[in-house]
Amino acid sequence: SQTIHQWPATLVQPVGSPLSLECTVEGTSNPNLYWYRQAAGRGLQLLFYSVGIGQISSEVPQNLSASRPQDRQFILSSKKLLLSDSGFYLCAWSVLAGTGANVLTFGAGSRLTVL
Amino acid sequence: GQNIDQPTEMTATEGAIVQINCTYQTSGFNGLFWYQQHAGEAPTFLSYNVLDGLEEKGRFSSFLSRSKGYSYLLLKELQMKDSASYLCALMDSNYQLIWGAGTKLIIKP
Repeated sequence: SQTIHQWPATLVQPVGSPLSLECTVEGTSNPNLYWYRQAAGRGLQLLFYSVGIGQISSEVPQNLSASRPQDRQFILSSKKLLLSDSGFYLCAWSVLAGTGANVLTFGAGSRLTVL
Repeated sequence: GQNIDQPTEMTATEGAIVQINCTYQTSGFNGLFWYQQHAGEAPTFLSYNVLDGLEEKGRFSSFLSRSKGYSYLLLKELQMKDSASYLCALMDSNYQLIWGAGTKLIIKP
């Protein structure tokens, strides 16, 4: 069966510090991978998605970046965090590209507080 | 443009039935999803509708009317564990998901 791991679960970082959130998927090959951010009272915001190694699409211009060094690994990074980067970050995967039932399976999430 | 609306919060009684509505506007449509999200946890998939009509899965059902840009999630025989946020998400013409802000459902004994 497929599983998704995301870490760390929580972190508190000072403004200006770097960030690295990691996500790995097991039990499937060539998944679509996603990074979302969820702010209180707002819908999920797609930050990045990837359909393959080294292929990253950015949905929102900001100081975050993503990388996919391996087929089932997706990393969210920042060189210098802003206060506005605080939120709940969710990694997700799906296996059906360009078809209707593109069901996302989410990792447990990473709650980031920037002080 | 695309837009999704759902109520911010609803309250219901244990054992009762509740209907959570979702309305949307979009130029391209490839289906509508419902996810459940307990506080502090990740969303989990509940249902997918791409054709008009009702899809039933145990205590949960989801309805879609494409002509009206309308969907609802129906929860029967409510249990305390159903207290969660319910997220409506639209799949657009590029197969990307557009998310509603979610409806927080509070179940009272």
